[in-house]
Amino acid sequence: ETGVTQSPTHLIKTRGQQVTLRCSSQSGHNTVSWYQQALGQGPQFIFQYYREEENGRGNFPPRFSGLQFPNYSSELNVNALELDDSALYLCASSDSGVRPYGYTFGSGTRLTVV
Amino acid sequence: AQKITQTQPGMFVQEKEAVTLDCTYDTSDQSYGLFWYKQPSSGEMIFLIYQGSYDEQNATEGRYSLNFQKARKSANLVISASQLGDSAMYFCAMREKTGRRALTFGSGTRLQVQP
Repeated sequence: ETGVTQSPTHLIKTRGQQVTLRCSSQSGHNTVSWYQQALGQGPQFIFQYYREEENGRGNFPPRFSGLQFPNYSSELNVNALELDDSALYLCASSDSGVRPYGYTFGSGTRLTVV
Repeated sequence: AQKITQTQPGMFVQEKEAVTLDCTYDTSDQSYGLFWYKQPSSGEMIFLIYQGSYDEQNATEGRYSLNFQKARKSANLVISASQLGDSAMYFCAMREKTGRRALTFGSGTRLQVQP
């Protein structure tokens, strides 16, 4: 079975720009979660999508938005980029939590805002 | 709100020795799940071990075991017979059993295995 693939692997953007990060979930998984990991910290939950609808959100402003497509792949969009948005963005897919440890993470997209 | 605390920013261990990474948690939920993940420099979070709050026995997965002390709200990871490839960041995380089912992570421990 394929794992979780994220693209691009690295990205440099200018403050104020917009960015789209992409994630293809593991085969058979219908839930996708996104996490932000600042340098030297643990990941922070951004939001989760289940069957194309957002069903959970962390403490992130509305300029962080997402989509999930019928094939369960997902996008994370960030508008009006700020310097503090520089981080590793991790995508994780799961199978609706039927198995308690059904999370598979991608290798992340490292975003640098200058 | 849930909280995970990892008090060891860095740990050193000799190859082939055992090491314990500490994790304490705080939650008002009765039902929850506890995870340990390994993050090498490549960035991917690799699942190591899981413990459910109602599991009576401590979880084990090969060289990994979880020392679960519910009354103390601790979930320490024990790695036996350390290998050079175990050098990485290690994160303890908790998952809500209802609602968002999001993972709450600690700040991590960097483990370095020395030959």
